[in-house]
Amino acid sequence: EPEVTQTPSHQVTQMGQEVILRCVPISNHLYFYWYRQILGQKVEFLVSFYNNEISEKSEIFDDQFSVERPDGSNFTLKIRSTKLEDSAMYFCASCRDSAINEQFFGPGTRLTVL
Amino acid sequence: RKEVEQDPGPFNVPEGATVAFNCTYSNSASQSFFWYRQDCRKEPKLLMSVYSSGNEDGRFTAQLNRASQYISLLIRDSKLSDSATYLCVVSHFSGNTPLVFGKGTRLSVIA
Repeated sequence: EPEVTQTPSHQVTQMGQEVILRCVPISNHLYFYWYRQILGQKVEFLVSFYNNEISEKSEIFDDQFSVERPDGSNFTLKIRSTKLEDSAMYFCASCRDSAINEQFFGPGTRLTVL
Repeated sequence: RKEVEQDPGPFNVPEGATVAFNCTYSNSASQSFFWYRQDCRKEPKLLMSVYSSGNEDGRFTAQLNRASQYISLLIRDSKLSDSATYLCVVSHFSGNTPLVFGKGTRLSVIA
């Protein structure tokens, strides 16, 4: 069964450094998302992406964040200058049919900012 | 008021028991409803979509009450492998829209 994949599984970085989190959505899906989950908290929406542009973004997704689909398979989340509070699990999700909106999640990248 | 509210639990039940989780949502414009399960430090996995008429998938039954803005999940004949956190999830509009998650209800099924 096709799955969303994410790399790396764990990223440790120093405050102020840039990180790029990578995702490969399910191949016939057209709608892509990033969510994050701070330890012990609920899953929170960051950004949605369709047709090579951002569809919607949350208040969390400020100027430090950007997304890109550099080729036909990868979908990336960049954090330009990481802060301690960016430490969280970052999940990529994809969806085939927007009318149903069933989103399938990747295994996540655990980001630790020191 | 939180957008999606759930009893955090934990619910500790013996194998074979029936357990029910409830969830309320605040936005009456919500269009799509789901239950996801999340194991410790893993990704949310879609368990089932919830339809207005209610729906069943094996031991799992989901119900939606739009008038009361209430969603439920019933698990019959609980297995040890059902131990997880169950996330109530809504999206406010149809189409390509973000999912809004509850904080989850933790279930432990005990032998």
